[in-house]
Parts: sequence; structure tokens; C-alpha cells
Amino acid sequence: DAKTTQPNSMESNEEEPVHLPCNHSTISGTDYIHWYRQLPSQGPEYVIHGLTSNVNNRMASLAIAEDRKSSTLILHRATLRDAAVYYCILRDYNQGGKLIFGQGTELSVKP
Amino acid sequence: GAVVSQHPSWVICKSGTSVKIECRSLDFQATTMFWYRQFPKQSLMLMATSNEGSKATYEQGVEKDKFLINHASLTLSTLTVTSAHPEDSSFYICSARDVGGSSYNEQFFGPGTRLTVL
Repeated sequence: DAKTTQPNSMESNEEEPVHLPCNHSTISGTDYIHWYRQLPSQGPEYVIHGLTSNVNNRMASLAIAEDRKSSTLILHRATLRDAAVYYCILRDYNQGGKLIFGQGTELSVKP
Repeated sequence: GAVVSQHPSWVICKSGTSVKIECRSLDFQATTMFWYRQFPKQSLMLMATSNEGSKATYEQGVEKDKFLINHASLTLSTLTVTSAHPEDSSFYICSARDVGGSSYNEQFFGPGTRLTVL
């Protein structure tokens, strides 16, 4: 499975935008970029996924670099409830790929 | 999104006993379910992939005779930790993949089961 690299931790202020980066230089053409987040003592929660084009949903936006070697998860207005570990994961759609979690980025949000 | 439940949410057992954890997809069918474990301050580690009606596929280093997985129906998978020991204490999380509809790419996770072995 292709590997992703994320910063260990980031801080944000409440109601400000947050940009969470992810590097995936070995991504293959059939890898989808998935983002999940995990609140303390809970199972991971799906956030967003994409292949080549930028994606928006009610939770976040996903900006994918043109060469697909990096991506950025954007939370438009961070709230205290967004404090979690965010995981960027590559999944090979065609092979029904497993979700292999890296270390993720622990996001803290200050009031 | 679709809902995955786990039962129990937490369990405490004595060393040497076996513990069964259930994972259910409540409003969708899942031919594939996954089992993860997570130690404190660490990421999730995939243990095995469970396919309905067939044997589970275990990740390297995971003892299949210790972690028994059964996926007897499209909505239920079970993980049995046999002869549990304190080092098996962990947070066990299951997930299920919806086989159809617009959510095909999504994998839904259960809330986790906290196992403590005394």
C-alpha cells in the first residue's frame, strides 16, 4: 500500500480555517485519497475522499495537487468538536483495497 | 451515513478466558468487514479482513488461532479473542464496507470495544 506522510500535530483557533496537509508521493493511478477522523475513544469517521478533482461536502473540502502527490484537507471554520486525529489514507479502488492507517495528524482547536 | 454497531462497548475479563465481540451493520449489507486494534496513543492496526461465507484473511503477524473471526451473515461478524492475556488489552474496532449505492467507496466504522484483561 502506498504510504502517506502527515504532520504529527497541528493547532488551530476556533472559527478559523484549518489546512491539514498530506504527502503521498508514491500514489498510483488507481489510488483514491481518503480522509477519516477519530475522536477520542471512538471509531473513525469518514470525512471525504477524492481521486483527481477537488471535492467538497458538508464537512470539509479536499484539494488535490495536480500531480496527485499531495493533498490538503480543509476545514472551513474549525469548531471545538473538530479536535481529533485526522488520517489521510490511500485506497486502491480497483482492488477493493483495505484502509491502512498511518499515524495521522492530531488537531487541537483553541477557543 | 450507514451505522455499524459493536457489542459490548467494553468488557473486562480474567486472563485465560475467551471474549467474543460482535460487529453489526444496521442498515446496509456488508460482504466485507474489517477488524482493527488500537493501543493507547497509537494508530489503528488492521488485523484481518472478513468476507461473508468464507475464511478471514489475516494480516502478517496476527495469530489466526488466537483471534477467531466469523462472518456468518451479511450484517454480522464476530471476533473471539481466545485465551486472552493482559497484552491483548486494547481497543478493538470493526468496520464494514457497503456493497452498493452511492456510498460504495465509504467504509463505516463501529464505535469500538474496549477490552481489559486482568
